[in-house]
Amino acid sequence: QSVLTQPPSVSAAPGQKVTISCSGSSSNIGNNYVHWYRQLPGAAPKLIIYDNNKRPSGIPDRFSGSKSGTSATLGITGLQTGDEADYYCGTWDTRLSAVVFGGGTKLTVL
Amino acid sequence: QVQLQQSRPGLVKPSQTLSLTCAISGDSISSNNAAWNWIRQSPSRGLEYLGRTYYRSKWYSDYAVSVQSRITINPDTSKNQFSLQLHSVTPEDTAVYYCARGYCGGDCYSFDYWGQGTLVTVSS
Repeated sequence: QSVLTQPPSVSAAPGQKVTISCSGSSSNIGNNYVHWYRQLPGAAPKLIIYDNNKRPSGIPDRFSGSKSGTSATLGITGLQTGDEADYYCGTWDTRLSAVVFGGGTKLTVL
Repeated sequence: QVQLQQSRPGLVKPSQTLSLTCAISGDSISSNNAAWNWIRQSPSRGLEYLGRTYYRSKWYSDYAVSVQSRITINPDTSKNQFSLQLHSVTPEDTAVYYCARGYCGGDCYSFDYWGQGTLVTVSS
């Protein structure tokens, strides 16, 4: 059971928009930055959003992040088949004194 | 470009010590703008943060409570690398282990560069 809650899967058609939610509590998302990662099969996770809504160099502006209260959302517009991957949220948990992650969301581009 | 190269996979027997290294290129382990982390991933536990080491005028290491009693993460400045030792392993420690750089332009808890991952199997 992960500390952060994500939907197990989401799907959308190419060109459409999808959002992935990440729910936590005041000890984690509520008072700390949220980061998002994309993981392709057999590869390491890759940072795509940090500090709630910032994109690392090289990440297209099709990817966006937001946070409200104890929840965060990753948005992806203009879906491409290459966006199919597992997506994870992560943040610091003040009560646990550790980084915590969501269980991951598998994105399928139909 | 920062690259993290992890040591090769292995089989570890129960009750023994798991040892991994992560060699850094393109950055210094003594950087004041980074932290050097170990994270593991398994189907049963998902992504699990283990701990980190970092330099801020002196060396610090801190660990997740779940493994605190049996983990050591150490820097090796002569080789620009850091290591993970996990003692008294059980089959539950079977996972893919990743090293990762924590980006301290923010809160140090976003991991912007990752190693390739090392599968460690705990089995007799």
